[in-house]
Parts: sequence; structure tokens; C-alpha cells
Amino acid sequence: GEDVEQSLFLSVREGDSSVINCTYTDSSSTYLYWYKQEPGAGLQLLTYIFSNMDMKQDQRLTVLLNKKDKHLSLRIADTQTGDSAIYFCAERGAGGSYIPTFGRGTSLIVHP
Amino acid sequence: GAVVSQHPSWVICKSGTSVKIECRSLDFQATTMFWYRQFPKQSLMLMATSNEGSKATYEQGVEKDKFLINHASLTLSTLTVTSAHPEDSSFYICSARDFSGPDTDTQYFGPGTRLTVL
Repeated sequence: GEDVEQSLFLSVREGDSSVINCTYTDSSSTYLYWYKQEPGAGLQLLTYIFSNMDMKQDQRLTVLLNKKDKHLSLRIADTQTGDSAIYFCAERGAGGSYIPTFGRGTSLIVHP
Repeated sequence: GAVVSQHPSWVICKSGTSVKIECRSLDFQATTMFWYRQFPKQSLMLMATSNEGSKATYEQGVEKDKFLINHASLTLSTLTVTSAHPEDSSFYICSARDFSGPDTDTQYFGPGTRLTVL
């Protein structure tokens, strides 16, 4: 079945760039998502990318997709303490099921 | 962006009672909503898919008689935890599928409901 893998933790210094990586196994993935979850809150959709794109940029966020390697990354420029949260990668295949598969989430810790 | 609300945001109940959680899509119609459960420091566990006007589809291992789902309208789905027990204590999150255009097919999540069963 589909599988989405993420590293569990990432620690960066305030002002540096953060790169959160994700790998997936479903070669038919059409949509790939990044969600942010702050403590005690639901998931906030940050951005998504179609599988026919290589890159998408939105202000401080840059998403890179390497479809050949099934690798997705989220880069946060000028990381701030408010960016501390859990970031979930998710992918959705092209088949009849439109239910995304989520990774376990990467906990981003930003320290001064 | 699309907004999904949940009510209540937290609830404490006694063991054996039932608790209803509401999920609403505020600015779009959602024929499909999802209910997730999240344990501390763990990823989301999909419990069921709620389809407007039809029965919910439950994931394997989820008791449909315990977790009753009703998707009565295009903007409202409810999850009722029946005869709740302490092991049902968790963070329940709903999401709604926004499929309103050719470039839009994604899920928007509610803020979650923290259920504590004493």
C-alpha cells in the first residue's frame, strides 16, 4: 500500500532556512500536500503541488518535487519561532480513492 | 482559504455517556468529510469517510456502532462517541473535501476536539 515517510524531528536556529523532507511510494500520486499543526490545533493547509510540477513557491515557502525519486521537500526561508509546529506531508493518488495518505509528521523546533 | 469549524473544541464527560462532535464547512459545500483521531505525538488515524446523504465508510478496526457518523447536509457532519470510555479519550479532527474547481481538490481541517473521558 501507499506509504509516506518523514523524519520525526528537525531543529533549526531562528533566521536559518528549514528543509523538511518527505518520501512516498505511490507512483500515481497526483496531489502532494504540506500541512502545519500547531499545539492543540487542527491541521492548516500550507501549500500543495500537482505531480506535473517541479517547484512551487509561496512567500517564504518553497516546495520541491522530484517525481522520479518520489521525494518532496518543504523549505521555509528565514525560519521564525512561530514556525515551530508539526509539519505533515500527504499524498493523494490518481485512483478512485481521494483520501490522502499522511506521513507521521515532522516536529520543527526553532530556537533563538 | 476554506474554513472548517468544529464544536465543541474540548469536552470532558463521564464514562458511559455519549458525546456528539460537529464539523461544519463554513464557506463551501462538502459532499465528503473525514473524521480522524490523533494520539499524542502520533500521526492522524483516519476513522471514517462521511458522505452526504449516505452511510459513512469506516476504516478497518473502527467500530461503527461506537462511532456514529451522520452527514445530514452539505455543510455538516457529526460524530457521536457512544458509551464513551477512558480509552476513547483523544483528539478528534474532522476535515472537509473542497472539490469546487478543476484546480482544487484538497482537504481543509477543523481545529479539533479534545475529548477526555473520566
